[in-house]
Amino acid sequence: AQSVTQPDIHITVSEGASLELRCNYSYGATPYLFWYVQSPGQGLQLLLKYFSGDTLVQGIKGFEAEFKRSQSSFNLRKPSVHWSDAAEYFCAARGLYGNKLVFGAGTILRVKS
Amino acid sequence: EAGVVQSPRYKIIEKKQPVAFWCNPISGHNTLYWYLQNLGQGPELLIRYENEEAVDDSQLPKDRFSAERLKGVDSTLKIQPAELGDSAVYLCASSLGWPGTDDTGELFFGEGSRLTVL
Repeated sequence: AQSVTQPDIHITVSEGASLELRCNYSYGATPYLFWYVQSPGQGLQLLLKYFSGDTLVQGIKGFEAEFKRSQSSFNLRKPSVHWSDAAEYFCAARGLYGNKLVFGAGTILRVKS
Repeated sequence: EAGVVQSPRYKIIEKKQPVAFWCNPISGHNTLYWYLQNLGQGPELLIRYENEEAVDDSQLPKDRFSAERLKGVDSTLKIQPAELGDSAVYLCASSLGWPGTDDTGELFFGEGSRLTVL
């Protein structure tokens, strides 16, 4: 079955430190991959997406993600975290021939000053 | 350009009462989605519309949930009667259409309707 796994429920980093949020997917073929961010009481906002081509994808707010086919992973990174990055982050995938977007359970990011 | 608009933002009802949520997608977006987000979980698809047609409603509990998208624009999601376990956030999203056409695959989400059933 198609699935997306985010192994970390919570992550706490210090402001200014680097960040990596993990995401693994299970699909028959490489799906389209997305990272969304959700601030409390808000809808989901797209950070970045991967369809094909360069495996390092740049997004908004200084985020990037790297697609690794061999590991079925699409990890999100940011070199220096700001307090405003505290939110919940969702990795998602959709198959090449389907419109169903499947989400991981999310990772809550806390930023300490 | 306006984003996806949902109402109400918050709703508190007693169990067995009906409730309805409304969604206005981004203009020109043919595909509309309703997602359910339980606390501490990622969103799960309830139903997807391509224009007026519900093309994927396999996860919609049809005994109490119903949805419609008249004229292929606005949509409503109804629960009747509501149960305690229906307390959650109901997210509406829209996209241009099918990946591989002009659609980049991006879904645009509304802010959600938070339902509390007492």
